[in-house]
Amino acid sequence: DGGITQSPKYLFRKEGQNVTLSCEQNLNHDAMYWYRQDPGQGLRLIYYSQIVNDFQKGDIAEGYSVSREKKESFPLTVTSAQKNPTAFYLCASRTTGTGYHEQFFGPGTRLTVL
Amino acid sequence: EDQVTQSPEALRLQEGESSSLNCSYTVSGLRGLFWYRQDPGKGPEFLFTLYSAGEEKEKERLKATLTKKESFLHITAPKPEDSATYLCAVQFIANTGNQFYFGTGTSLTVIP
Repeated sequence: DGGITQSPKYLFRKEGQNVTLSCEQNLNHDAMYWYRQDPGQGLRLIYYSQIVNDFQKGDIAEGYSVSREKKESFPLTVTSAQKNPTAFYLCASRTTGTGYHEQFFGPGTRLTVL
Repeated sequence: EDQVTQSPEALRLQEGESSSLNCSYTVSGLRGLFWYRQDPGKGPEFLFTLYSAGEEKEKERLKATLTKKESFLHITAPKPEDSATYLCAVQFIANTGNQFYFGTGTSLTVIP
């Protein structure tokens, strides 16, 4: 089955630690996205990538970093510079073929700062 | 300013009581409007894409419609398993390319 996987499902971070969230897709999608979801707020875009080895900052990129070395993978690192990282993180992907296409989402990672 | 507004924030329905959820948008150059269902602690599940005013899509008890300013998700004779948060998103072309904005969702509870 094609889809998007995120790991881990739950992640706990201590103050001052960097942590990396994994996102893998086997849908052969070119574009991948990272969102943050907080209660009462819409999904907010952190970073996105339209192609391998290229990525762009979203609306709330400060304190986060990404890489896109492979088409299938788009890991997100939450650095110690992110002051309020406790949230639900969602990875998405979509095709960039002709027309305008929906995003498909992974199951999410819940990050909690201890 | 809000690009996408969903209403109501929360909706409680009796089983079988039909209703509609609203998604209004202010972006120009809409390229697509998307509806998702999200269960607690899970990622959004794609439901529909609408591209142009007048378009309608149906799936089981759900029907999505689109006008130039808003979209409606109609739920006919809902069942308890339809309880979830429903999100809408818009895609449009900005100076920086394709952009997506998500609404904050409508939390639907269907009571048996």
